[in-house]
Amino acid sequence: SQQGEEDPQALSIQEGENATMNCSYKTSINNLQWYRQNSGRGLVHLILIRSNEREKHSGRLRVTLDTSKKSSSLLITASRAADTASYFCATDALGQLVFGQGTRLTINP
Amino acid sequence: DTGVSQDPRHKITKRGQNVTFRCDPISEHNRLYWYRQTLGQGPEFLTYFQNEAQLEKSRLLSDRFSAERPKGSFSTLEIQRTEQGDSAMYLCASSFRLDREQYFGPGTRLTVT
Repeated sequence: SQQGEEDPQALSIQEGENATMNCSYKTSINNLQWYRQNSGRGLVHLILIRSNEREKHSGRLRVTLDTSKKSSSLLITASRAADTASYFCATDALGQLVFGQGTRLTINP
Repeated sequence: DTGVSQDPRHKITKRGQNVTFRCDPISEHNRLYWYRQTLGQGPEFLTYFQNEAQLEKSRLLSDRFSAERPKGSFSTLEIQRTEQGDSAMYLCASSFRLDREQYFGPGTRLTVT
């Protein structure tokens, strides 16, 4: 079963705008990870945030984690056409990752 | 190192046949994971290995599924007596240690007709 739920399920924005995706989960975690998947391909790891961290940055990506609300958000700034993909959050509690259903992001030129 | 590789990339089989997939992890990674992903869903955990030991199996892994990792290197996932419901993308991932990011292969897309 899938623990995380991403919101929204689909997001369409103009190139250059910022994109925000949210993830909620149910149980205690060691860390939370975000992955990107281009259509029909494998997943690419984007960023890992540990349960004792509140915010993390990597390039144009900013991830926040609120363990009291069991939620996380991924912000992509200055979006580009190449950011078009599905984005998944995954919680890691016992070594295995539990994924949400993902947010399908479309960047319009 | 070229990352995690999987073979074959695509497999079409008839219901009732057996299929076997192979995964080669990143060489220094001792943890190897198998996931299954159906269209429009996130990946679902199937099983994982630390070196050659299979440490955990999901309830999704029915008795028709078996996975091995001889000598702690590559891994195989076999599905016996395939059913149409087995049609999915089978993803393999590896990691250096617990509590770290996982590196995914390109997946094997299985179609059962």
